[in-house]
Amino acid sequence: QKEVEQNSGPLSVPEGAIASLNCTYSDRGSQSFFWYRQYSGKSPELIMFIYSNGDKEDGRFTAQLNKASQYVSLLIRDSQPSDSATYLCAVKGEYGNKLVFGAGTILRVKS
Amino acid sequence: EAQVTQNPRYLITVTGKKLTVTCSQNMNHEYMSWYRQDPGLGLRQIYYSMNVEVTDKGDVPEGYKVSRKEKRNFPLILESPSPNQTSLYFCASSLTIDQYEQYFGPGTRLTVT
Repeated sequence: QKEVEQNSGPLSVPEGAIASLNCTYSDRGSQSFFWYRQYSGKSPELIMFIYSNGDKEDGRFTAQLNKASQYVSLLIRDSQPSDSATYLCAVKGEYGNKLVFGAGTILRVKS
Repeated sequence: EAQVTQNPRYLITVTGKKLTVTCSQNMNHEYMSWYRQDPGLGLRQIYYSMNVEVTDKGDVPEGYKVSRKEKRNFPLILESPSPNQTSLYFCASSLTIDQYEQYFGPGTRLTVT
């Protein structure tokens, strides 16, 4: 079992819709959770981080964390074509020395 | 401008020919890390460094070496590259390991034939 799992996609949504990206992790002691966006041919950039159960909102982005279910998600409201990218979920483990990444979900927003 | 730089950006080499990929950051960050990215496998950590002269293995260290003699530089060394090290490599840094945001360099695409 991979430590951090994501559906590879592609996830296709129409412009203006809500895109929902999901991630599960295996280390129950994980403390911090991150979503990175990576455009084709570019380096990853941090969108959001969350470390407490519940929701965290930042503009059109909402991160949701459920530690009991070992599940973290990213919602993108009013999706735009510019949101088309690969979204990487990353988890910092209990001992905090490294960041473990999922393989990423490809999102395509169609105009 | 605050940034992480990597050189070279693209490299094609042959099996067994030693190479070094440089990484430098100008943000006075303590924590630096090297990742490789392969299709379907995501980003996997090769080595990381908590500070000068402090380095440790990540998940896929075999075939790689690193050094951290200065705070700003963290070179990745492939003593005897093999085709299975063909990949996209990213260097990243953050102020400390506890700081949430890691800043990534632009990437180095390495092909070993």
